[in-house]
Amino acid sequence: GAGVSQSPRYKVAKRGQDVALRCDPISGHVSLFWYQQALGQGPEFLTYFQNEAQLDKSGLPSDRFFAERPEGSVSTLKIQRTQQEDSAVYLCASSHGTGRYEQYFGPGTRLTVT
Amino acid sequence: TQLLEQSPQFLSIQEGENLTVYCNSSSVFSSLQWYRQEPGEGPVLLVTVVTGGEVKKLKRLTFQFGDARKDSSLHITAAQPGDTGLYLCCNNAGNMLTFGGGTRLMVKP
Repeated sequence: GAGVSQSPRYKVAKRGQDVALRCDPISGHVSLFWYQQALGQGPEFLTYFQNEAQLDKSGLPSDRFFAERPEGSVSTLKIQRTQQEDSAVYLCASSHGTGRYEQYFGPGTRLTVT
Repeated sequence: TQLLEQSPQFLSIQEGENLTVYCNSSSVFSSLQWYRQEPGEGPVLLVTVVTGGEVKKLKRLTFQFGDARKDSSLHITAAQPGDTGLYLCCNNAGNMLTFGGGTRLMVKP
């Protein structure tokens, strides 16, 4: 079956622009996660949804970052007024349930802010 | 905040060599996982270990979990070019994964 897909795969934005990154989870997966991976680093947790409810957004670095999952399926991560330090790969993952179910990762969106 | 330290950061070896990479945590793991990430892809789960002292084998990969559940090692026997990638250890606390910085492995043919 289809895995987690993300679009676009690459995004170049000028500093100050707004961007929207899309995640299509595996069909039927209840939980959805966003991670940020800076160059040469491991992924860092940003936020977590269970169905349409955003249960944890403790990892969002600033109020310029906003995520939503209005119908409990597709999710969008939006970054307003992008800064150079936002340049990173943004990974989305989904899992079948809550708790310690395996998370399946998408290929990521590489964001470069110039 | 739990901190996971991985060593070495980089490792370049010839095909056929053995290697070990390490993961140390500032606090006890809830559930330890190892992932491999290839360029342009997301991490892929290799193994999950929960019990201190546990050893798991996956073909040429051997994973050990320390008795105190604060450290782990990954040993690869007879490395192959297909083993090239970023190896990440991770604490799975349920709804959040905390990753180490990774060991970037390159296996030359």
